[in-house]
Amino acid sequence: SQQGEEDPQALSIQEGENATMNCSYKTSINNLQWYRQNSGRGLVHLILIRSNEREKHSGRLRVTLDTSKKSSSLLITASRAADTASYFCARGGKLIFGQGTELSVKP
Amino acid sequence: DTGVSQDPRHKITKRGQNVTFRCDPISEHNRLYWYRQTLGQGPEFLTYFQNEAQLEKSRLLSDRFSAERPKGSFSTLEIQRTEQGDSAMYLCASRTGIEAFFGQGTRLTVV
Repeated sequence: SQQGEEDPQALSIQEGENATMNCSYKTSINNLQWYRQNSGRGLVHLILIRSNEREKHSGRLRVTLDTSKKSSSLLITASRAADTASYFCARGGKLIFGQGTELSVKP
Repeated sequence: DTGVSQDPRHKITKRGQNVTFRCDPISEHNRLYWYRQTLGQGPEFLTYFQNEAQLEKSRLLSDRFSAERPKGSFSTLEIQRTEQGDSAMYLCASRTGIEAFFGQGTRLTVV
């Protein structure tokens, strides 16, 4: 399979809670990106982290990267119902996507 | 609206028929990608163009699939002799830098 591994596959939380999603990969990377996909729609770029960075912030998003463990995590703080979507990590020039985490934020 | 448009948005076809999808990327983007996505899965890379040159094709792309990008502008993805297993969302993306911009996709249903 082209895809890496993401966990959890599904996550259900209450509004206001934090959501953490993890992504693991097998080959070395120059950067890793996170995308969001609302139900049945196209993907939207959220944040990029380069291989020489360990942590990056954008608004309520925090991404970490551990190249020694070949893993990344996406943290969404103070979640909102509008954050309900599938979240994917993607790497490489061809953008190889993970299987994604389906996040449900209940009001 | 990301600026990448795909047409049609939905296509229902009978098994064995040929279908063609179109993608219009953001005009200054030289790289264009096609992906296939099934329910509950992430997008799977199919093929990619830099300008008009098709630089890579996934092993997932059988001989029934062909893609073109004449003049380095819009792209078409054709599936010949469709099979039920081809039912999926077909996504197009374009980029010039690192960030990719995706279209809304074409949902194909083969009956």
